[in-house]
Amino acid sequence: AQKVTQAQTEISVVEKEDVTLDCVYETRDTTYYLFWYKQPPSGELVFLIRRNSFDEQNEISGRYSWNFQKSTSSFNFTITASQVVDSAVYFCALSPVRSARQLTFGSGTQLTVLP
Amino acid sequence: DAGVIQSPRHEVTEMGQEVTLRCKPISGHDYLFWYRQTMMRGLELLIYFNNNVPIDDSGMPEDRFSAKMPNASFSTLKIQPSEPRDSAVYFCASSLGQGNTEAFFGQGTRLTVV
Repeated sequence: AQKVTQAQTEISVVEKEDVTLDCVYETRDTTYYLFWYKQPPSGELVFLIRRNSFDEQNEISGRYSWNFQKSTSSFNFTITASQVVDSAVYFCALSPVRSARQLTFGSGTQLTVLP
Repeated sequence: DAGVIQSPRHEVTEMGQEVTLRCKPISGHDYLFWYRQTMMRGLELLIYFNNNVPIDDSGMPEDRFSAKMPNASFSTLKIQPSEPRDSAVYFCASSLGQGNTEAFFGQGTRLTVV
């Protein structure tokens, strides 16, 4: 069975602050994918990143960075110098490579960036 | 490309009525997914198709739910008869095959059953 836990239900920060969204996962699969999606107030889900379990290199994309720690089963997401437009619900998700179509989502973290 | 297109965006119906949700995937994508999002259960995969064929429908809650994909550019999710507990946002998503696993989501259909 797979499980994704996003313990932070809601986070509020002031614009320009850095913020880290936590994601902890459980899986018995040795190879898997991890994802982050963003759901802005308009409602659609926007794909942000996919990582393979065998690639623990951290990734940076502009103000976004992701820290994958296989030893602690965590895949945390950091937004540097947050902006009001970053306000959204962020979902972490997991799928086994053997069945890569079947995503298990976390419950999401509501991020509010205040001006 | 316009992305995944879902219709209607909002649907309000009375308990017992039939509801049909529609989805047009991104052209060229050979996987199509239906998800349901509720406050209680979060995002759940209901069913997915590969090349128009249902592959896994284990997430479909009960026989009142059915999904079809008559061709590569259209899919429906039907609830008959609808119940208040079916109220949720239903998302359709599509993705490419060949190892690509990034799913692109539509804007969702917010269903309210009264």
